[in-house]
Amino acid sequence: GENVEQHPSTLSVQEGDSAVIKCTYSDSASNYFPWYKQELGKRPQLIIDIRSNVGEKKDQRIAVTLNKTAKHFSLHITETQPEDSAVYFCAAEVGNQGGKLIFGQGTELSVKP
Amino acid sequence: GAVVSQHPSWVICKSGTSVKIECRSLDFQATTMFWYRQFPKQSLMLMATSNEGSKATYEQGVEKDKFLINHASLTLSTLTVTSAHPEDSSFYICKAVAGRNEKLFFGSGTQLSVL
Repeated sequence: GENVEQHPSTLSVQEGDSAVIKCTYSDSASNYFPWYKQELGKRPQLIIDIRSNVGEKKDQRIAVTLNKTAKHFSLHITETQPEDSAVYFCAAEVGNQGGKLIFGQGTELSVKP
Repeated sequence: GAVVSQHPSWVICKSGTSVKIECRSLDFQATTMFWYRQFPKQSLMLMATSNEGSKATYEQGVEKDKFLINHASLTLSTLTVTSAHPEDSSFYICKAVAGRNEKLFFGSGTQLSVL
């Protein structure tokens, strides 16, 4: 089955710096890769997603890149702010099972002012 | 936007009792509902997938007789933790799907604490 690996598990950056989180997946049939931000005790919030027909997607300070050949995708946050501090999860949709996501282990991002 | 209402948000119960968690899609029909469990400082682990009107499909290692899932209508799915024990204490969260390749909507989550 699908397996998603996420690194690093913790990341600390200074305000204004960039943060990069990387994920790899195993199921070559996966075509949808969302990223979620989760604050303590709350539901995950979708922040950006990408489908396999594109290699990069950007939304203001957040971008995601996808390399289908290598089966890895990354989240890039530029000009980080303290409110970006949270746990971030990558996920990959399982094959053609619409909506079934397997999550990475999570990255706790801390942005220091 | 679409909303998935999940109740209760927090429940404390005694060991051996059963707890029912409800997820309702308020303005769309959820053909598929996924149930996840999240232990502190860990990732979301998929427990089961349910489709309206059919039996749920459970992930490996998840006891179907302990975690009863019902998806009797297109707007309501329930997860019942039977004979709960302290090790079942976790954050449970549902995720609804409206058709293939549609956006996915999380419920607000339920924090279960079993004493």
